[in-house]
Amino acid sequence: DAGVIQSPRHEVTEMGQEVTLRCKPISGHNSLFWYRQTMMRGLELLIYFNNNVPIDDSGMPEDRFSAKMPNASFSTLKIQPSEPRDSAVYFCASSRNAGGYTFGSGTRLTVV
Amino acid sequence: DQQVKQNSPSLSVQEGRISILNCDYTNSMFDYFLWYKKYPAEGPTFLISISSIKDKNEDGRFTVFLNKSAKHLSLHIVPSQPGDSAVYFCAAREYNQGGKLIFGQGTELSVKP
Repeated sequence: DAGVIQSPRHEVTEMGQEVTLRCKPISGHNSLFWYRQTMMRGLELLIYFNNNVPIDDSGMPEDRFSAKMPNASFSTLKIQPSEPRDSAVYFCASSRNAGGYTFGSGTRLTVV
Repeated sequence: DQQVKQNSPSLSVQEGRISILNCDYTNSMFDYFLWYKKYPAEGPTFLISISSIKDKNEDGRFTVFLNKSAKHLSLHIVPSQPGDSAVYFCAAREYNQGGKLIFGQGTELSVKP
């Protein structure tokens, strides 16, 4: 079991550019969660999917953020256009039937 | 608004002593509480949990206490070890909300030899 795989591990981009973060959940897990870690708010839930369907996207900060889950083994989080305040560590996690989460190692995003 | 709050950003403890990490919540619909541990450059990993019908759960050196009337939980680590140095996140799950977890801001624990 390779765990939850996120790519890239680090991303540095210029303000205004499009950024795409990727996540491969654990096989057999039917829920996927995107979180953002900041000093002030800790781990913020951005959006989550059950069986590839977005259930709650109320945590997505703005329309610049979008997420997709085209199949059970892949999800993306896109920021377009990116801004310096989007700099953070973004985590993906998956779970099975509302059970415990397994987190990926995160993507550290820096927007300059 | 922050439904789960960890008001202490950091805590420093001597090796062998007790570490107490605190967490407060506001949502009375939370039915399950968890603690996660995070090392630098890694994702959080599950540590211990407690159901809202209990007031204590123990696993080795780790014990979680829940005070529902005060909407407060705490994690006790006894004895603390240098390898326990990490960021600890408190999390809560709301009943019938698809398993999503609401996390606090985290507390960075430093255990000094």
